[in-house]
Amino acid sequence: GAVVSQHPSWVICKSGTSVKIECRSLDFQATTMFWYRQFPKQSLMLMATSNEGSKATYEQGVEKDKFLINHASLTLSTLTVTSAHPEDSSFYICSARDRVTNYEQYFGPGTRLTVT
Amino acid sequence: KQEVTQIPAALSVPEGENLVLNCSFTDSAIYNLQWFRQDPGKGLTSLLLIQSSQREQTSGRLNASLDKSSGRSTLYIAASQPGDSATYLCAIDNQAGTALIFGKGTTLSVSS
Repeated sequence: GAVVSQHPSWVICKSGTSVKIECRSLDFQATTMFWYRQFPKQSLMLMATSNEGSKATYEQGVEKDKFLINHASLTLSTLTVTSAHPEDSSFYICSARDRVTNYEQYFGPGTRLTVT
Repeated sequence: KQEVTQIPAALSVPEGENLVLNCSFTDSAIYNLQWFRQDPGKGLTSLLLIQSSQREQTSGRLNASLDKSSGRSTLYIAASQPGDSATYLCAIDNQAGTALIFGKGTTLSVSS
């Protein structure tokens, strides 16, 4: 089956620093990737839609200058949390759609971010 | 705006029991519906995907049904096992190519 990887799986950083999270589709090409955030005991909330070769589309309330998304190739999207604060601590999950089937989204294993 | 609701929020059952998890959605014009499993601190595992033209899907002890007209889906788990303990998420795909809209999940605990 289709596999999506995320790196790192967990990261601890100090307040004010930036963190980059990578999302890769390993065995398929994804023109569209999605970034979700999940706070403890909450469901997944969409942050932004990442399209290869174009600017990301952000959901209402998500600061585009704080959460920088780059989708430079059909297999890689990155999310950079800039000037991280403790309230950014969360579980970040990406997903990718197989451009061939377009039916199912495949999810990465998630990245646990803790900002101290 | 599509909203997804899952009931109950939590469920505890003894091993061997058959159980049903419920998912309801407000807009019946969906593309497909997926059920996921999430273990604590982990990512999502896709269990079943039902396309809008289908009424049910089965995988092993799991059976998911879809009734678009009533805006409901159920996930049936037969002969539950302690290893089934996890949070089960229902997600709606409104259109091809768009993000999923998730319910808050049902946290299942199966005791041995």
